[in-house]
Amino acid sequence: EDQVTQSPEALRLQEGESSSLNCSYTVSGLRGLFWYRQDPGKGPEFLFTLYSAGEEKEKERLKATLTKKESFLHITAPKPEDSATYLCAVQIAYNFNKFYFGSGTKLNVKP
Amino acid sequence: ETGVTQSPTHLIKTRGQQVTLRCSSQSGHNTVSWYQQALGQGPQFIFQYYREEENGRGNFPPRFSGLQFPNYSSELNVNALELDDSALYLCASSTRGGGFTEAFFGQGTRLTVV
Repeated sequence: EDQVTQSPEALRLQEGESSSLNCSYTVSGLRGLFWYRQDPGKGPEFLFTLYSAGEEKEKERLKATLTKKESFLHITAPKPEDSATYLCAVQIAYNFNKFYFGSGTKLNVKP
Repeated sequence: ETGVTQSPTHLIKTRGQQVTLRCSSQSGHNTVSWYQQALGQGPQFIFQYYREEENGRGNFPPRFSGLQFPNYSSELNVNALELDDSALYLCASSTRGGGFTEAFFGQGTRLTVV
């Protein structure tokens, strides 16, 4: 069964304290992996798409990487405004009509 | 801003009632997907519409139905509302074709069933 698991569920960091969020997936064939940021009560905001193992994407303090079994979202020197829930989703090769989402990691960055 | 708009933003309904949620997709996008997001959970796929036809469905009962219009906007209809239907309903637009595009989400409709 296709499955996406994110860890940790919640993460508290001090401003400037770098860390990584994990998204592990078990799918029959990966077409793409997506990272989204979601603020409370809002829709997810697109961050990155990764297509193949070894690929990396960067945006400001965020860097996403992909292996054959998991993806990491690295946050370097986070600021309080980076506080949000980070969601990953996978699109599978044989049924690209939908995304399978993980439950998200709730990040809280303290000043 | 993604260009995907949903209405209304908030809604309160009574158990057993019916509700219609609306979504306008981003310009140039021909595919609309609907998701249900319970508090503290990731979005769960309800169904997708492409060229005005349902094109994939998640594990939701038939009382969840939808429409897509020629301008690619879409509606989600839920009949016989239950308390567990209370959630944030998200619409996402994308382009389906030979390639592969990410989905852009609207701000959601918060449905509360009492």
